[in-house]
Amino acid sequence: ILNVEQSPQSLHVQEGDSTNFTCSFPSSNFYALHWYRWETAKSPEALFVMTLNGDEKKKGRISATLNTKEGYSYLYIKGSQPEDSATYLCAFIVSSGGGADGLTFGKGTHLIIQP
Amino acid sequence: DVKVTQSSRYLVKRTGEKVFLECVQDMDHENMFWYRQDPGLGLRLIYFSYDVKMKEKGDIPEGYSVSREKKERFSLILESASTNQTSMYLCASSFPGIYEQYFGPGTRLTVT
Repeated sequence: ILNVEQSPQSLHVQEGDSTNFTCSFPSSNFYALHWYRWETAKSPEALFVMTLNGDEKKKGRISATLNTKEGYSYLYIKGSQPEDSATYLCAFIVSSGGGADGLTFGKGTHLIIQP
Repeated sequence: DVKVTQSSRYLVKRTGEKVFLECVQDMDHENMFWYRQDPGLGLRLIYFSYDVKMKEKGDIPEGYSVSREKKERFSLILESASTNQTSMYLCASSFPGIYEQYFGPGTRLTVT
């Protein structure tokens, strides 16, 4: 079983502040890394799919970077808003040749934005 | 929009019962997945399937089986439900390879 670590486990941030959190994963046999946002009472939704070392992706106020050589990805949220409150999951895929492996998820970072 | 549906949002079963959880997707995805989510443990992969009648064990397959007779439908079966299988079960689907997964709303199963 692969080990995907996310830190911190939970985070309280004031509205308007920027924040970031980390996903660490095994650097060997890297295939892809996903970030998902999971709001309470909803299904997880994909934010980013990252495949190349040095990838930077952005969606509105949220961005992510990827370092496959050292095995980490950062997620950044600029100017946090209450609607950003959610659990953010990263998930890792190892290359198996078939490209059909399931994701190994981290336990998530639970983000609470305080007005 | 991709849609993944699960047969029940909430389910209560007794120990020893056979339980079927159904998942249907409408985007012609080859891959389908079953996860369970438990507090403090995150999402864990139970089984996945990359084609009709094909299945692969995930990280925690013990006590579960699956069936995929049609491309759009993936069933999770608890042959004899036990209390330690009380959990939230999430189904997901995707195209093969690196592509993101689309999740259903989840089934909260309670085994008493």
